[in-house]
Amino acid sequence: LAKTTQPISMDSYEGQEVNITCSHNNIATNDYITWYQQFPSQGPRFIIQGYKTKVTNEVASLFIPADRKSSTLSLPRVSLSDTAVYYCLVGAHTGAGSYQLTFGKGTKLSVIP
Amino acid sequence: AAGVIQSPRHLIKEKRETATLKCYPIPRHDTVYWYQQGPGQDPQFLISFYEKMQSDKGSIPDRFSAQQFSDYHSELNMSSLELGDSALYFCASASPISSSTDTQYFGPGTRLTVL
Repeated sequence: LAKTTQPISMDSYEGQEVNITCSHNNIATNDYITWYQQFPSQGPRFIIQGYKTKVTNEVASLFIPADRKSSTLSLPRVSLSDTAVYYCLVGAHTGAGSYQLTFGKGTKLSVIP
Repeated sequence: AAGVIQSPRHLIKEKRETATLKCYPIPRHDTVYWYQQGPGQDPQFLISFYEKMQSDKGSIPDRFSAQQFSDYHSELNMSSLELGDSALYFCASASPISSSTDTQYFGPGTRLTVL
């Protein structure tokens, strides 16, 4: 399973764009990159997923360079409610209908008024 | 949209007791995952089921067992509870048919406290 590395914490002011970069040097050819958001005592919430280049949805963008050894989650104009832990995960098909996710140390984002 | 349902939401047990946690996946999802998250820790994968068969196993203690039933709900059975089992237990469901990436959708979790 590919291991991921991301900053332990980040601070940002309200209204700013936040970019969280994750490295995954050992990503396999078939692996996708998925980002989750987790608030205290709540289940992780799916944010975005991508394989290469750029993916955008209503809440975030995901940038993946050609070598796929890293990815950057971009949150536009953050608000206080975006204060949470953000996890970058690289999933691996285990060939049995299972797509195991290994959570590493997430990034604790603190949004400051 | 319907989400993953977990019950109970909170559970308090004594050491050496048993506990059963239940998970009801999103309708038409046939894959269930269980995760354990200790205080201040990151979620750790325990076990998963696909079409009622165990599909993958992580760091699940031998004291724990799980199964997926014909209606796709899953139960995590925990015996001889220890203080260290106190944690949030999350269930996630996915549908391999909908995409090749099996996006997992997490439930609200069950907070287990062992006294």
